[in-house]
Amino acid sequence: NAGVTQTPKFQVLKTGQSMTLQCAQDMNHNSMYWYRQDPGMGLRLIYYSASEGTTDKGEVPNGYNVSRLNKREFSLRLESAAPSQTSVYFCASSEWGANYGYTFGSGTRLTVV
Amino acid sequence: QKEVEQNSGPLSVPEGAIASLNCTYSDRGSQSFFWYRQYSGKSPELIMSIYSNGDKEDGRFTAQLNKASQYVSLLIRDSQPSDSATYLCAVTYTGNQFYFGTGTSLTVIP
Repeated sequence: NAGVTQTPKFQVLKTGQSMTLQCAQDMNHNSMYWYRQDPGMGLRLIYYSASEGTTDKGEVPNGYNVSRLNKREFSLRLESAAPSQTSVYFCASSEWGANYGYTFGSGTRLTVV
Repeated sequence: QKEVEQNSGPLSVPEGAIASLNCTYSDRGSQSFFWYRQYSGKSPELIMSIYSNGDKEDGRFTAQLNKASQYVSLLIRDSQPSDSATYLCAVTYTGNQFYFGTGTSLTVIP
């Protein structure tokens, strides 16, 4: 019973490099999310996908792109990494609707130098 | 701007005491309210949800909601050292986009 699986767990990038964070869920959830968590800032929504085939911007989308590959997978891409993108990234999934809480992945700790 | 405010703490309570965690939110259109627990270096874990005014109990946890005051709280009875974590308040307005508070750090002292 894996839940939400994120890879990689840790990554160090140089400024300007690109990378893709992978996320997969096995709970048959319709909705998936990418958050970043920074000290003193809390969790902030980057992008979300309410259902397969749709994606929408969240609170802090600049510098990121996403792909909802299928119902299970939702990836986050940094095209040209910047030090301001140093953060812990969490993927989450849920059913769509106000009464459903999230299940989070274990997170990716990204450092951009 | 939809805001969710929590005292950052740290909040320290002795083992066996009641820990009280508070959260206020800015938008009266808020629909659902959640509490997550996050251990250091780990991901948030859902522990309670509440949708209507009043109290909701689950084991040692009680969530309290007062929509008129735009206030939600979490009480932890008989606090244990294993409850030491950061507690995140989350509020959803439409669909299920959550807005999170910055969290309250709780330490339970043996």
